Amino acid sequence: AQKVTQAQTEISVVEKEDVTLDCVYETRDTTYYLFWYKQPPSGELVFLIRRNSFDEQNEISGRYSWNFQKSTSSFNFTITASQVVDSAVYFCALSEEETSGSRLTFGEGTQLTVNP
Amino acid sequence: SAVISQKPSRDICQRGTSLTIQCQVDSQVTMMFWYRQQPGQSLTLIATANQGSEATYESGFVIDKFPISRPNLTFSTLTVSNMSPEDSSIYLCSVELAGSQETQYFGPGTRLLVL
Repeated sequence: AQKVTQAQTEISVVEKEDVTLDCVYETRDTTYYLFWYKQPPSGELVFLIRRNSFDEQNEISGRYSWNFQKSTSSFNFTITASQVVDSAVYFCALSEEETSGSRLTFGEGTQLTVNP
Repeated sequence: SAVISQKPSRDICQRGTSLTIQCQVDSQVTMMFWYRQQPGQSLTLIATANQGSEATYESGFVIDKFPISRPNLTFSTLTVSNMSPEDSSIYLCSVELAGSQETQYFGPGTRLLVL
């Protein structure tokens, strides 16, 4: 069965600090997709990134970067030089192509608070 | 991506009543889903809304409680029936666009409070 674990329930940092959000997943499929979503206080879920299981290249987008390591079943998310606007709940999610089609399994989320 | 709208954005309802939530997308989608997010918790998939046929429900969710319709490719409704305070949640629809490679985009959500 698929499972996503975000062990960090809450993280609090001061503006301009770097912060890494951890995500560990479990799956039996060889083809799967990993996602990160941001949920600001407004409640809307904002898509950040998708990564398929065959692409282990790390990705950088501005202050955001993602580290995908199949050997440790992890897909961690780093925010560099954090800003107050980064305060939100961040969800990691998994979908298995063979077993569950497009259905997403979400982690419990990490509440990130960036203080000025 | 696409523009996804949900109506209503929020509502306060009395127990025992029903509420229908609408989800409208401005482009054709391959898949539509409904999720529930209980206060302070993660998202849980309720069902996949299938166009022209009955929705596919996840374990723990039944059609009598959460009837879903999807009359065309861009519109779906979720009804929360015979509500109780435990149904107080955010309800979100999501869509998978053609060519989006398994990526789901979410609507703004409907915040429901049941008294």
